[in-house]
This record gives sequence, structure tokens and C-alpha cells, in this order.
Amino acid sequence: DAGITQSPRYKITETGRQVTLMCHQTWSHSYMFWYRQDLGHGLRLIYYSAAADITDKGEVPDGYVVSRSKTENFPLTLESATRSQTSVYFCASSDPGDYEQYFGPGTRLTVT
Amino acid sequence: QKEVEQNSGPLSVPEGAIASLNCTYSDRGSQSFFWYRQYSGKSPELIMSIYSNGDKEDGRFTAQLNKASQYVSLLIRDSQPSDSATYLCAVPSNTGNQFYFGTGTSLTVIP
Repeated sequence: DAGITQSPRYKITETGRQVTLMCHQTWSHSYMFWYRQDLGHGLRLIYYSAAADITDKGEVPDGYVVSRSKTENFPLTLESATRSQTSVYFCASSDPGDYEQYFGPGTRLTVT
Repeated sequence: QKEVEQNSGPLSVPEGAIASLNCTYSDRGSQSFFWYRQYSGKSPELIMSIYSNGDKEDGRFTAQLNKASQYVSLLIRDSQPSDSATYLCAVPSNTGNQFYFGTGTSLTVIP
């Protein structure tokens, strides 16, 4: 299916566990983004990537790791999950010069 | 001061009325502005973009930009219950690599 997908859609994990959220897009967009959305904070950028093997920190990168070995995939890893990382995570993609960002369906992560 | 600020609401309007959503931004050099709509439990989707001072109309939606006062607004005419959602204002960074989103304004259209 064309578009941008995220997996899993829902995840419950325990404090201290490593968790990886997957993001896959079929448009060959250069840019990919990871956001978290929390009540009262709106969407906050965690990391973004301008191309394969190029990543950069956003507003709230601490506790997260990303990689981008292929243009279409942009996984986000929580190395040691904490309760404060309970959130809804959105992946997005866009092309250079096209400011419209296309969002995936989101992953609801709960850390107990 | 946050890059983008919105009144979180909630804002309630009767069906058929005009809903007015406002957003202010801090970077005077910002050149482009975007409105996203997010239904409950769904992901944001782009509904309007505006680059020049003045008004831009698209169906029942009108975006208004005033760079001197650093605000951008979204008007929804003939509001429908299906317009009930959270509306997010977004402004790109000066490099264009990042977006700064407001916290969103929750709109409820009452039938």
C-alpha cells in the first residue's frame, strides 16, 4: 500500500525496556520526521532526517535514537523506556521544497 | 516564548456559524504558515497554507496572514459538525528542516 505506515499501532512496555517504533513510506520522500504528541505540548519534534544516513536532533531528542539506512525506513528506538515517554508518536515525511508533511497513523506507547 | 502559540480552547460554535482560530508566532522572518486539522485519535492533515499577507480562500476555509503583527488565523465559514477537530498551526524553521507546531485549538461545532 502506498503511503506512510507505522508499527506497532499500540505498544505497552515496562520501564527500562528497549522499544523500537517503525516507520515506512513508499513515496521516496527525502525528509522524514518523528514527533511525539502530549496533552498541553502539542506536536514536538524528536528527530528528523534529510536523507539516508543523515539525521539530526529536534526539540526533544533525549532518550531516543534513530537511524536511516534506507530512504523508506526511519525507525525510532527508546533505549531504556521511561514513564515520561508514554505518548503518541507520529512519523511524517516530505520532499525538499514541499512543506507539506504527510503523517503516519501514529503509535500509542504506554510505559508502565 | 514558544515559537508558535495558539489558544487551546475549547472553542464551541453553533452549526452554520463562523469559527475563528488564531495563531501567533515569534520569528519575524517566517515566510510560510500552515494549518493542520486533527480529528480525535487520528493523525494531522494539512488543510491550508499561506505565504503572503492577506487572505487566502479555499472553499469554506480562509487563512489570514498579518506579518507585521505576527499572527495567522483560520476562518471556517458555515461550520459543520464534521469540522469538529483540533486545529494546529505550524511554522517552518528558517532552514525549512523543522516545523514548529502550536498546541492546537479544539473546535466543537454544535448541531
